[in-house]
Amino acid sequence: RKEVEQDPGPFNVPEGATVAFNCTYSNSASQSFFWYRQDCRKEPKLLMSVYSSGNEDGRFTAQLNRASQYISLLIRDSKLSDSATYLCVVNALIQGAQKLVFGQGTRLTINP
Amino acid sequence: ETGVTQSPTHLIKTRGQQVTLRCSSQSGHNTVSWYQQALGQGPQFIFQYYREEENGRGNFPPRFSGLQFPNYSSELNVNALELDDSALYLCASSPGQGRGGYTFGSGTRLTVV
Repeated sequence: RKEVEQDPGPFNVPEGATVAFNCTYSNSASQSFFWYRQDCRKEPKLLMSVYSSGNEDGRFTAQLNRASQYISLLIRDSKLSDSATYLCVVNALIQGAQKLVFGQGTRLTINP
Repeated sequence: ETGVTQSPTHLIKTRGQQVTLRCSSQSGHNTVSWYQQALGQGPQFIFQYYREEENGRGNFPPRFSGLQFPNYSSELNVNALELDDSALYLCASSPGQGRGGYTFGSGTRLTVV
């Protein structure tokens, strides 16, 4: 089983639609959770951290359910510029060092 | 403030050759992690260096090795290159072993033919 699993995608939605991404993780000791965005042929960039209480940043809302080991990202009123690959990321401890464990990523295309 | 820089940006090597990739960490960051991202996949953790020592390693064979220098810059070396080593190699730096977040470089795209 993969440490972090995401919806396989790809998602193709019209501009203005609401998009939801889901993710599960296997290591119950994981402490930090993130969504990263990666544009084509570019490096991943932090979109937002995810907290148990849920958090919102403009059109983006992230949720974490520790009991179910489940993370979600909701994008409202999607824009053409939201087209990218979205990576679910968990911060794990290995040999005393923090490391980021990435999901496979879900490619999103917003159509005009 | 200078971000994370990686060199070269692109590289083509022949199977069996050796390659060295370089990374300059962001100012004030003493920790460097390396990731391999194959096409269509998420980045996979290779290893992390903190204060010039490896302090965490993913599921990669010993032919993947690294170094960190006193200025916290780092190298990733891959020996006996295989076709499956073709990938985007990403370097990320952090102010303290991952605490405080990571900043990624733009990566080195390695093609093994």
